[in-house]
Amino acid sequence: GAVVSQHPSWVICKSGTSVKIECRSLDFQATTMFWYRQFPKKSLMLMATSNEGSKATYEQGVEKDKFLINHASLTLSTLTVTSAHPEDSSFYICSASPATGQGMAGELFFGEGSRLTVL
Amino acid sequence: GQQLNQSPQSMFIQEGEDVSMNCTSSSIFNTWLWYKQDPGEGPVLLIALYKAGELTSNGRLTAQFGITRKDSFLNISASIPSDVGIYFCAGRRIQGAQKLVFGQGTRLTINP
Repeated sequence: GAVVSQHPSWVICKSGTSVKIECRSLDFQATTMFWYRQFPKKSLMLMATSNEGSKATYEQGVEKDKFLINHASLTLSTLTVTSAHPEDSSFYICSASPATGQGMAGELFFGEGSRLTVL
Repeated sequence: GQQLNQSPQSMFIQEGEDVSMNCTSSSIFNTWLWYKQDPGEGPVLLIALYKAGELTSNGRLTAQFGITRKDSFLNISASIPSDVGIYFCAGRRIQGAQKLVFGQGTRLTINP
């Protein structure tokens, strides 16, 4: 299967600081990437859809000024948690959907996840 | 957002036993995907289903896309310790759409 890589895999930061998480598709191009948040023992909650070259689409209840998403290229999307607070501590996961013509239409591949702990 | 109804929520079985889990919805789905998630990792795609009635195998795993398009099941035969983890179903309502709706997950524990 295709590979999606996230970095960092874990990060600890002080309250009030901003943290950037990267999501890269390593062996395919992705016009669309998704960002999820997962609480312990819970399912994945979609936060936003990241589209290459355009603004992200946020799900209801997700603060776009709090969670900044940038999809600057066909292989990279970034999620920046601004002015992080302890309640932002969570497991953040990205996924990427191969662009058409790459033989993987319809499939969605996930990154390894990034665990954020805000002190 | 809406989630699929996945059951059971947890399973405790003996090594070697077969496992069955399913997802249902009141809406029609055009794609069903099954993922496995290990602790601290992202979900890994196990099986993808695109046609109603489709039955697909991946080693000891078998999944089916329900005829009504409102359900799917995943079976694991002859379970082994590395099958431990959380299994999620996911579906797409609209053909070609990329946003997935997830089930609540089934946590599988295996006693050796």
